[in-house]
Amino acid sequence: GQNIDQPTEMTATEGAIVQINCTYQTSGFNGLFWYQQHAGEAPTFLSYNVLDGLEEKGRFSSFLSRSKGYSYLLLKELQMKDSASYLCATMDSNYQLIWGAGTKLIIKP
Amino acid sequence: ETGVTQTPRHLVMGMTNKKSLKCEQHLGHNAMYWYKQSAKKPLELMFVYNFKEQTENNSVPSRFSPECPNSSHLFLHLHTLQPEDSALYLCASSQDGDGSYNEQFFGPGTRLTVL
Repeated sequence: GQNIDQPTEMTATEGAIVQINCTYQTSGFNGLFWYQQHAGEAPTFLSYNVLDGLEEKGRFSSFLSRSKGYSYLLLKELQMKDSASYLCATMDSNYQLIWGAGTKLIIKP
Repeated sequence: ETGVTQTPRHLVMGMTNKKSLKCEQHLGHNAMYWYKQSAKKPLELMFVYNFKEQTENNSVPSRFSPECPNSSHLFLHLHTLQPEDSALYLCASSQDGDGSYNEQFFGPGTRLTVL
């Protein structure tokens, strides 16, 4: 079967670092996406990993280990505006996205 | 208008009503998608159109009927819905529907409530 697991909710402090984990089991693998979704808004693209390793993009970094079926999104220097849901999704052998339920990140001052 | 737009943003309908959701993308993409998003659940892919042809129908009940007249427009026709169909309906588009790198751009969604 196909399954994406990520924590339901996390809390972090402004200025700190937080790591959001995602584990997956999918039929075929054509990459992993992270999206950010603020309450009441559309999901917006953050990152795409298809090879093992770390991709850094400003304050956000995403890591992939295909052998472990594991990814994480690392957010540094947290700001209040980073409060949102973070969605992990893998692309299967049919090039369709399989989504996790999302991790709601709460930032406290 | 830029990106992906959806109308209406909010919709309340009775179970006997017929309504349509509209999506338009201004990105020159060839693939369009309908998703259902319920609270605390993963996004559920409903339909995929690639170059105006429906390529995916994930066992969606027939009370949901998609229409894609051209690559820029996508409709979701609704009739005799059930209260459990209340959700956020998201439209997305991507350059194509069968590429290995296929970032999807989402519209703001239609918040649907079925009474």
